Amino acid sequence: DTAVSQTPKYLVTQMGNDKSIKCEQNLGHDTMYWYKQDSKKFLKIMFSYNNKELIINETVPNRFSPKSPDKAHLNLHINSLELGDSAVYFCASSQEMRGLSEQYFGPGTRLTVT
Amino acid sequence: SQKIEQNSEALNIQEGKTATLTCNYTNYSPAYLQWYRQDPGRGPVFLLLIRENEKEKRKERLKVTFDTTLKQSLFHITASQPADSATYLCALEYSSASKIIFGSGTRLSIRP
Repeated sequence: DTAVSQTPKYLVTQMGNDKSIKCEQNLGHDTMYWYKQDSKKFLKIMFSYNNKELIINETVPNRFSPKSPDKAHLNLHINSLELGDSAVYFCASSQEMRGLSEQYFGPGTRLTVT
Repeated sequence: SQKIEQNSEALNIQEGKTATLTCNYTNYSPAYLQWYRQDPGRGPVFLLLIRENEKEKRKERLKVTFDTTLKQSLFHITASQPADSATYLCALEYSSASKIIFGSGTRLSIRP
């Protein structure tokens, strides 16, 4: 069974469109995250949720809106897509919020905005 | 603000040798430091965690050290194999913000 899954794996869309990426974890973890990995492979946190509550919002444009319907799901909706949004987006989960807890990553969603 | 630097963007070594990757950080010392492996087209996979009061941690052919005086962690792979080729990321907790920040990674290539 896949621990952290994301859909879709690839997403190609035009500027100005709105798109969503879905994430689900079956590990029973309390904390979920969204990361963005750019072309230079730098992995940067965007959001974290703990028990459906937003904990970290890391200076992300408000075109990005996470939604956590329950503890096992954290979706990412992006409005008015821009060229600079092209990247790989990773969802992750961990048992706890602190650095003691290892993170489990999904396979990533490669977003290409044309 | 806290920064992490992995000082080698890429490292090429011969199979069988020990690969040593470096992770340096600035400002305060984190309580924990983690190492991850990332293969092309995949998400990072957790390898090891070391606490600030631990000098060294081992797991099979992997060894991590943590020197809070030098503000540095070293990641060693002994008896390296071509299958060890991947990008390795170090990560640490950023203050009390309860988030992990990642280094930019070192791409390791093991040639037969």
